[in-house]
Amino acid sequence: QITLKESGPTLVKPTQTLTLTCTFSGFSLSTSGVGVGWIRQPPGKALEWLALIYWDDDKRYSPSLKSRLTITKDTSKNQVVLTMTNMDPVDTATYYCAHMAAFYFDSWGQGTLVTVSS
Amino acid sequence: SYVLTQPPSVSVAPGQTARITCGGNNIGSKSVHWYQQKPGQAPVLVVYDDSDRPSGIPERFSGSNSGNTATLTISRVEAGDEADYYCQVWDSGSDHPHVVFGGGTKLTVL
Repeated sequence: QITLKESGPTLVKPTQTLTLTCTFSGFSLSTSGVGVGWIRQPPGKALEWLALIYWDDDKRYSPSLKSRLTITKDTSKNQVVLTMTNMDPVDTATYYCAHMAAFYFDSWGQGTLVTVSS
Repeated sequence: SYVLTQPPSVSVAPGQTARITCGGNNIGSKSVHWYQQKPGQAPVLVVYDDSDRPSGIPERFSGSNSGNTATLTISRVEAGDEADYYCQVWDSGSDHPHVVFGGGTKLTVL
């Protein structure tokens, strides 16, 4: 059974850097074809994909946010970390991590709400 | 960048069939995946690779994809199907292939 859980601050100030951790179980990020992605959802709005990291350390980023994002993995800890720089109130959202099989997300974490406010 | 267009809302009476569309340029050449999201919950994959269902998803959920439109069809709609639905593809046509989500469709069961 695959499980994922997001953790990190619930409140960040404008201009600060957000660091979120996805801790997972039930699969290994060293297995060929496996990936973990980050997706966010502002309150009342649509899903927005942010970043993705594969078992071979290949990384993909949203074209519109690429300059602000960094995704890394720690295979030994079963964790994926996302950092987003220069946070703004418009970045207030629920942030999800999810397991990617092939080209879709088949298991999702519960999400964590991050509020950007001074 | 590749754009997926969904109607903001679809309404259907219980027992009827709901069809939710996802438009994109030549989307028929891509694999489309669909997610259901109920209020306060994380999304759940309901259809992948155009028309396959994960285990545990009722047969009432089906998908098709051709030309410029992919469609999620929910037969014999139940009150519990009321949710937001999102389509998703992998945009392999750009210099940096990436994930794309549609804007979502709110399904209302009348």
